[in-house]
Amino acid sequence: GENVEQHPSTLSVQEGDSAVIKCTYSDSASNYFPWYKQELGKGPQLIIDIRSNVGEKKDQRIAVTLNKTAKHFSLHITETQPEDSAVYFCAASFSGSARQLTFGSGTQLTVLP
Amino acid sequence: GAGVSQSPSNKVTEKGKDVELRCDPISGHTALYWYRQRLGQGLEFLIYFQGNSAPDKSGLPSDRFSAERTGESVSTLTIQRTQQEDSAVYLCASSYSGNTIYFGEGSWLTVV
Repeated sequence: GENVEQHPSTLSVQEGDSAVIKCTYSDSASNYFPWYKQELGKGPQLIIDIRSNVGEKKDQRIAVTLNKTAKHFSLHITETQPEDSAVYFCAASFSGSARQLTFGSGTQLTVLP
Repeated sequence: GAGVSQSPSNKVTEKGKDVELRCDPISGHTALYWYRQRLGQGLEFLIYFQGNSAPDKSGLPSDRFSAERTGESVSTLTIQRTQQEDSAVYLCASSYSGNTIYFGEGSWLTVV
């Protein structure tokens, strides 16, 4: 089955700096890669996703890049703000099948004011 | 409804008791998932329902855990004879078929 590894497990950045979180996956058939943000005491919320037919996707301060050859994808947050502090999870799945998402272990991002 | 709704939001139960957790998915979503998240840890897949297909129960940790779903609507996760290691947040999620999965706020279970 799919295996997703996520690094780093914790990340502290100064407000205004960029943050990068990286994930690798094992199943070359995976073609859908979402990122979730989980604030304390809440359920995960989808913040951005990418499908394997594109290499990069941006939404304001958030971007995701995908390297299918190397089987890794990354979340980039620019101009970080204190409200970006949360746990971020990457995930991978193969669309069109009955498979469920496989999640990474999460990254605790802390943005220092 | 507007989002995935879970109840109860918090549950404290005595060891050995049974608990039922309810999930009401987003209207029209054919797929429904249950995940478990222990404190400070990642999401652990439990069970997946897709339409009328047989559910994927491969993530259920023991036979004390079971889940049902009525058609394409409400699902109930049942934990029998609860143990302290069952203490966790139980997250329900639903999707329509394009893999975008939306989570509820979770049911926080504490077994004392």
